[in-house]
Formats: sequence, structure tokens, C-alpha cells
Amino acid sequence: AQKITQTQPGMFVQEKEAVTLDCTYDTSDQSYGLFWYKQPSSGEMIFLIYQGSYDEQNATEGRYSLNFQKARKSANLVISASQLGDSAMYFCAMREVYTSGTYKYIFGTGTRLKVLA
Amino acid sequence: DSGVTQTPKHLITATGQRVTLRCSPRSGDLSVYWYQQSLDQGLQFLIQYYNGEERAKGNILERFSAQQFPDLHSELNLSSLELGDSALYFCASSPTPGGGTDTQYFGPGTRLTVL
Repeated sequence: AQKITQTQPGMFVQEKEAVTLDCTYDTSDQSYGLFWYKQPSSGEMIFLIYQGSYDEQNATEGRYSLNFQKARKSANLVISASQLGDSAMYFCAMREVYTSGTYKYIFGTGTRLKVLA
Repeated sequence: DSGVTQTPKHLITATGQRVTLRCSPRSGDLSVYWYQQSLDQGLQFLIQYYNGEERAKGNILERFSAQQFPDLHSELNLSSLELGDSALYFCASSPTPGGGTDTQYFGPGTRLTVL
């Protein structure tokens, strides 16, 4: 079973509008972390936002917010006021326990976002 | 700029050859992670080092090996290269072994092409 599922391979959004990128996860751990990364066409992976499993508030970082619904095991990324520079591939990732004292990061397959002028 | 550096940026080599990829973590980070990103496999975790010691091992082939040196830079060695090893190889670093609010920051990647 997929641990991280991103069901939207590609999305379009109009400039200045908000967009939600979906991510669902599967883990039996109580303590885990959820991350979003952006990968522009240049290839680098840019950290955007982090949500801990025990955090009660949704994480926010500037125009990025993470809509965390623990019971539904979803961690959707919301980008407000989209900009042309937001066009990129977006990856959802989860950190869970690997063995005692070690952790592993699992990445989804990504969503390619295109912002239209 | 994440502060993580990787060299070289591009590498073209032939099947059967051996290459070494280098990574310098962000200042103060003790953990280094290696990932392989290919079109058909997505982003796959290979291996993690923390303060010079192997910490966690993922989907790393036996033909691949890595180490972290006392100055905390890391090298990923790929040998007996095959066409399927062509991929973007990322290094990431973080301050701790993991857990809590520990966050990975990625380098720019090394694009390996095996001909």
C-alpha cells in the first residue's frame, strides 16, 4: 500500500487564486511528521512547510498553509494568492519511525502545478 | 540556497564505471541523507549518516556505498554502473538524527547519466 498518496498528477490555477494540493498518508505510528517540498524545473528540492502529528494548529509559512486532518490522514497544502513562480512539482513527504531511534522519509509521487497568467 | 552543496552538478559516464558524488551539509547539521530520484521510481531514500556513523539504510543497492567523514561531508560511491542508475541524486542534511521537528534541507542534486 502507498504510504503517501498524491492523487493529482497535474493541476492548473489562475494567478492570484488559491490552490489546494492533496496528500493522504498511511501510518500506524502515533508520532510522525509531514512535509511539503517544491521542486522547480531547475531541479532543487525546496522545503516549504512542516506539520507534526501532535500539532493541534495547522502549520502556516507565508502563503503556504497545511490543512491537517488527522482522523482522515490528510495533509493538504494550500497556496494562497498563486504566483507564476509557484509553477513547479510539489511533493508531500512523511517521516515515520524506521527502527528504534531511526526514522525514514517517504515521498509521494508529486503534483505538477502550473500557474496561468 | 539551502546551504547544502553537492558536486558535481552533472556527471556523464559509461556502463560499468564507478563514480563518486560529494555532499557538504549545512553548517551545524550532523545528519546526511542520500536520495535517488528517477522518473519511474520517484524519490527513493538510500541511506542516512549521523555524525560519521550509518544511521538508517533504505533502498540502496549493494553496488552503492556511502560514508561520512570527520568534517561531516559525505560521499556516495556508485560502482558497476548500469543504464538504470541514471537519475538525479540528492543529498539532504538535518541537525539531528531525526524525530521531533527535525527537517531535511536538500542540496541542488547531481544529475548522473550512464551511457
